[in-house]
This record gives sequence, structure tokens and C-alpha cells, in this order.
Amino acid sequence: QVQLVQSGAEVKKPGASVKVSCKASGYTFTSYDINWVRQATGQGLEWMGWMNPNSGNTGYAQKFQGRVTMTRNTSISTAYMELSSLRSEDTAVYYCARGDRIAVAGTWGQGTLVTVSS
Amino acid sequence: QSALTQPRSVSGSPGQSVTISCTGTSSDVGGYNYVSWYQQHPGKAPKLMIYDVSKRPSGVPDRFSGSKSGNTASLTISGLQAEDEADYYCCSYAGSYNVVFGGGTKLTVL
Repeated sequence: QVQLVQSGAEVKKPGASVKVSCKASGYTFTSYDINWVRQATGQGLEWMGWMNPNSGNTGYAQKFQGRVTMTRNTSISTAYMELSSLRSEDTAVYYCARGDRIAVAGTWGQGTLVTVSS
Repeated sequence: QSALTQPRSVSGSPGQSVTISCTGTSSDVGGYNYVSWYQQHPGKAPKLMIYDVSKRPSGVPDRFSGSKSGNTASLTISGLQAEDEADYYCCSYAGSYNVVFGGGTKLTVL
């Protein structure tokens, strides 16, 4: 079955960077975009950007441009999202999601909690 | 881009129908037929319920339906059941490969 499995929880200090992985299985990794979405505790969903695993092309939400980098390793069917210059407001659960169509995420990872604290 | 506007909460009794609205602009909801809806239970990842305004993925009950008029999209849940109690988020394409979510609506089944 189609599955996205993310890396484990992270605790980072302000100013540091975090890199979250998302391993895909059950389908051809390069055939679907990977989107990244985050959710602060008790808050709504926030779209961060997308990556095409085949071409490596990316598109980032304006809010994160300059701070986020989305990459992939096709040999191990894994996507990565790196967020730099972390601040306390970046504390959230980060999800990867397969982009089945435009604005459609049919399969989600289990989420990765990133805590930013001094 | 700004988040789409949803009511913070809605409620209904079992068997009733509820509708959740999602208001955007002509640059997102009104400009494209790429509106989707997600259900999220506490502590869980979101689940796709509706895509392309009104299409249902396989496995989603036909009690869930979507529509759009102008800059406002709507999710209607008929025959409410206890397990429908969750947070619901709308999502729209906003052009230039951008996507925007709504702020979310908490559905309470009384």
C-alpha cells in the first residue's frame, strides 16, 4: 500500500536548522509530487511548498522562501525538507504528503514534531 | 497569500446535515476548480475527503459532498454520525504553483 514514513521528533535551538525525511513506498516515487505542510499545536494547516521528485523542481510558499529547501534521493525514494534559522514559532508537526493532483494530498506521512527551544 | 476563511466551529445532531463554508478570492477559490477538503481527528494526519471541488476519493462515504459558488466553496455532510466529529480544512490552488489552506472548522456532533 502507498505509505509515507517520516523521521522522528527533533529538538532544536533557535537559529539552528532541521532536516526531516519522508520515505515513500508502495508506488513509483518519481511519479508524484511531495508537498510539505506544517501544523503548530492547536493551529491550522499551513502549506510550505512542493517538490517534483523526478525533476527536483520545487515551489515554496512566499513565507518560507529563503529558509526552506526541499530535496530528494531517488535511489532510496526519500524526500527531505530542511528549514533553517529556526525560531520558536517554527515549533510544529511537519507533514509530507503525496500530491496526487493540484491541491490534492491523498496520502500523508505520520508527521514529525519539531520543537524549537533554548 | 492569506488563508481561506472558514467558520471556527459548526455543530449538528446525529442524522442532521451541516455545511462548512470556505471563502477565498478570485485568485484562489474563485479562479480554479481545485478545491479540496480534509478531515483531521485529534492527533492524526489529515485525510482527503473531497477534491476538485466535488469529487470523492474511493472509500469516502457519499454523505460528504462539495460545491462552489463564486469565491466560496462548501462542504456538506449529511446524515451526521458521531465519527464525523473532527476538524475540517479546505484547500485551494492559488496560482503560480501555490496552495493555500483555510483556518479550519471544528465540527461537533451533539
